[in-house]
Amino acid sequence: GAVVSQHPSRVICKSGTSVKIECRSLDFQATTMFWYRQFPKQSLMLMATSNEGSKATYEQGVEKDKFLINHASLTLSTLTVTSAHPEDSSFYICSARGMVGLNSYNEQFFGPGTRLTVL
Amino acid sequence: GENVEQHPSTLSVQEGDSAVIKCTYSDSASNYFPWYKQELGKRPQLIIDIRSNVGEKKDQRIAVTLNKTAKHFSLHITETQPEDSAVYFCAAINTGTASKLTFGTGTRLQVTL
Repeated sequence: GAVVSQHPSRVICKSGTSVKIECRSLDFQATTMFWYRQFPKQSLMLMATSNEGSKATYEQGVEKDKFLINHASLTLSTLTVTSAHPEDSSFYICSARGMVGLNSYNEQFFGPGTRLTVL
Repeated sequence: GENVEQHPSTLSVQEGDSAVIKCTYSDSASNYFPWYKQELGKRPQLIIDIRSNVGEKKDQRIAVTLNKTAKHFSLHITETQPEDSAVYFCAAINTGTASKLTFGTGTRLQVTL
């Protein structure tokens, strides 16, 4: 099956620093990648959608200058949380969609998530 | 845009009993409905999905039904086991626009011994 990795799995940083999270599709080409944020006991909240080679589309209420997304290749997307604050502490999950098999284009494959704690 | 509602928010069943989780959607153009299981601190994992051209799909102890007219779909888990305890999310998408999944709010299932 399709595998999506995410790095780091856990990060603790001081307030005001920037954190970069990587999302990789290991065995398929991800034409679209999605970034979600999940607070405890809540559903996944879509932050942005990125298509390879183009600018990300952000959901309403998500600051594009604070959450920088780059999708420069078909296997890698990065999310940078700039000037992180304690309220940015959350579980960040990426997912990828692309050509895996003839019948699996619509399926999204999720990364393992990154637990961000901002002190 | 699409709006997905999910009920109940929590569900407790005894081992061996059945569990049913229900979702409704608003966009009649939605045609793909996946269900995800998420254990604490882990990624959501696809457990079953259904497309709008079928009314029911089954995979061992898990089944999903779809009523397009009423715009609702349900997850059925039979003979529940403690390892079924997790949070379950339904989702919907219109694959024609290939946009994005809209998730339900989640159901925390607890299977007790």
